[in-house]
Amino acid sequence: QSALTQPRSVSGSPGQSVTISCTGTSSDVGGYNYVSWYQQHPGKAPKLMIYDVSKRPSGVPDRFSGSKSGNTASLTISGLQAEDEADYYCCSYAGSSYVFGTGTKVTVL
Amino acid sequence: EVQLVESGGGLVKPGGSLRLSCAASGFTFSSYSMNWVRQAPGKGLEWVSSISSSSSYIYYADSVKGRFTISRDNAKNSLYLQMNSLRAEDTAVYYCARREEFDPWGQGTLVTVSS
Repeated sequence: QSALTQPRSVSGSPGQSVTISCTGTSSDVGGYNYVSWYQQHPGKAPKLMIYDVSKRPSGVPDRFSGSKSGNTASLTISGLQAEDEADYYCCSYAGSSYVFGTGTKVTVL
Repeated sequence: EVQLVESGGGLVKPGGSLRLSCAASGFTFSSYSMNWVRQAPGKGLEWVSSISSSSSYIYYADSVKGRFTISRDNAKNSLYLQMNSLRAEDTAVYYCARREEFDPWGQGTLVTVSS
């Protein structure tokens, strides 16, 4: 169960868009449409932002969107805002288990 | 309001045991699968274990298999994690989270394994 690969960090100015990639294998990301994304601010618990690849829970701004192609999933934050600065983790079902990504720090310049 | 509150963390020596609890409120606990996820200090998230709503299906990460046991008491709206043979690398904040989408999460409880 190796962690999914995410870039260590991404950054953007307010109003810009950033995309975080999440690369796995055909045994996890590529094999199931069960990829989710979590936002974590320092010292806080993670918060679900996207589930089932592209579904947004109620209350999550539509600036957040998810997609998947092959073994790579992506989270896009459009219209970046200061409060979006946080760590983001992807997660995939892997058949009787789950695997999280390595995490990406999003910095708002 | 859906709420999950973990407890039971603390300092334990290598080889020791600890039992974590997660008290659920604000939803029909018996209808949802539940999970434990941990986060070592300054590190990323790691899935630990999952249990189905009726305890029929239980899964563990390879890193804890044979040492940790997940269970639940639907009458008490509670989730548990019995941790035995603890190692230094088990030091982490342990979160409980509801359903397959891990939503929501509790505030976490810190487990420190050190002599």
